[in-house]
Amino acid sequence: GAVVSQHPSRVICKSGTSVKIECRSLDFQATTMFWYRQFPKQSLMLMATSNEGSKATYEQGVEKDKFLINHASLTLSTLTVTSAHPEDSSFYICSATSSPQETQYFGPGTRLLVL
Amino acid sequence: GDSVTQMEGPVTLSEEAFLTINCTYTATGYPSLFWYVQYPGEGLQLLLKATKADDKGSNKGFEATYRKETTSFHLEKGSVQVSDSAVYFCALRDSGAGSYQLTFGKGTKLSVIP
Repeated sequence: GAVVSQHPSRVICKSGTSVKIECRSLDFQATTMFWYRQFPKQSLMLMATSNEGSKATYEQGVEKDKFLINHASLTLSTLTVTSAHPEDSSFYICSATSSPQETQYFGPGTRLLVL
Repeated sequence: GDSVTQMEGPVTLSEEAFLTINCTYTATGYPSLFWYVQYPGEGLQLLLKATKADDKGSNKGFEATYRKETTSFHLEKGSVQVSDSAVYFCALRDSGAGSYQLTFGKGTKLSVIP
């Protein structure tokens, strides 16, 4: 099946710094990518939907100025957590699809710890 | 809004035991239903899906039937193996709501012991 990678797999940063997480579709063109956040023992919560070449659509309650999403190419989307704080510590997962109604392929996730 | 409720884990079974993980949903439109599996250290993988009532999804010995009357999509396997140990997520996609977003349950961790 299709492969989606994320980098880094784990990151620890100091409070106030910014962290960039990359999501890549390795063997298909991803017109749409989704970013999720997962808390311990909780379900995945959709943060935003991004389409290549256009601005991301954020879910209610997600701060777009804090979680910057860029989907500049058909194989790469990035999530930047700006001025990270300890409450931003979480597991961030991306998924990619060639069209919204097709199967979403998920990355392995990035664990962020903000000290 | 849409929601998915699945049984709390963790679930621990002996090898070759029968598995059922319950999943029920609420949706405003006509959802497609999915089971995803997450093996340790890996991303979510689609296990099976069903797109309309009475459809049965199946893969790798797992089955789930879309029951509209009970709004359920329970996952079953007749004989689990140690390699089935993972976290299982039930999800729906409600295209009738005008979007193609997935709504997930909280996940059920399955541990199969030899």
